[in-house]
Amino acid sequence: QKEVEQNSGPLSVPEGAIASLNCTYSDRGSQSFFWYRQYSGKSPELIMFIYSNGDKEDGRFTAQLNKASQYVSLLIRDSQPSDSATYLCAVIWYGNKLVFGAGTILRVKS
Amino acid sequence: GAVVSQHPSWVICKSGTSVKIECRSLDFQATTMFWYRQFPKQSLMLMATSNEGSKATYEQGVEKDKFLINHASLTLSTLTVTSAHPEDSSFYICSARSLGNTEAFFGQGTRLTVV
Repeated sequence: QKEVEQNSGPLSVPEGAIASLNCTYSDRGSQSFFWYRQYSGKSPELIMFIYSNGDKEDGRFTAQLNKASQYVSLLIRDSQPSDSATYLCAVIWYGNKLVFGAGTILRVKS
Repeated sequence: GAVVSQHPSWVICKSGTSVKIECRSLDFQATTMFWYRQFPKQSLMLMATSNEGSKATYEQGVEKDKFLINHASLTLSTLTVTSAHPEDSSFYICSARSLGNTEAFFGQGTRLTVV
């Protein structure tokens, strides 16, 4: 069983729409969850992290965490072509290791 | 955010030689560093976790004698790919975290090509 699962996509949305990215994880003990964005050939950059159940908003981004269902999602409002990238979900595993999902490719069409 | 500098950004080496990649935390003490490898169109695969002053913990399937990790100080960790082969060609990325923080910061990555 994969530790962190994401739909590989690509997810295509029109400019200005809301992009919804989902991630599930297998370790019920995980406490910290991260969303990274990675452009081709570049290193991942942190978008936001979330620890508590519920929503966390930062600008156009909202992370949602549901520990009971073991999923975390990222919403991108007013999507822009510059948001086109691979979005990586990451989870702190066994208290220390940062483990990544396979990533979801997002394409925002103008 | 904190800055992690990784060097070199790219390297080409001959098969059988060794390559050292450096990862430095510039403005914080990196008590834990992670080393990842990423093949084209794939996600980051954790290779090993190192805590300052301790031996690295390698993930299953990663040869510790081939990928030597040193984390001798709170600001520097190195990954040495020994006896490199073409199949070791990949994008290697380090990540650093300070004590008490869960947020990890990434270096720019090193693209290794073994010919």
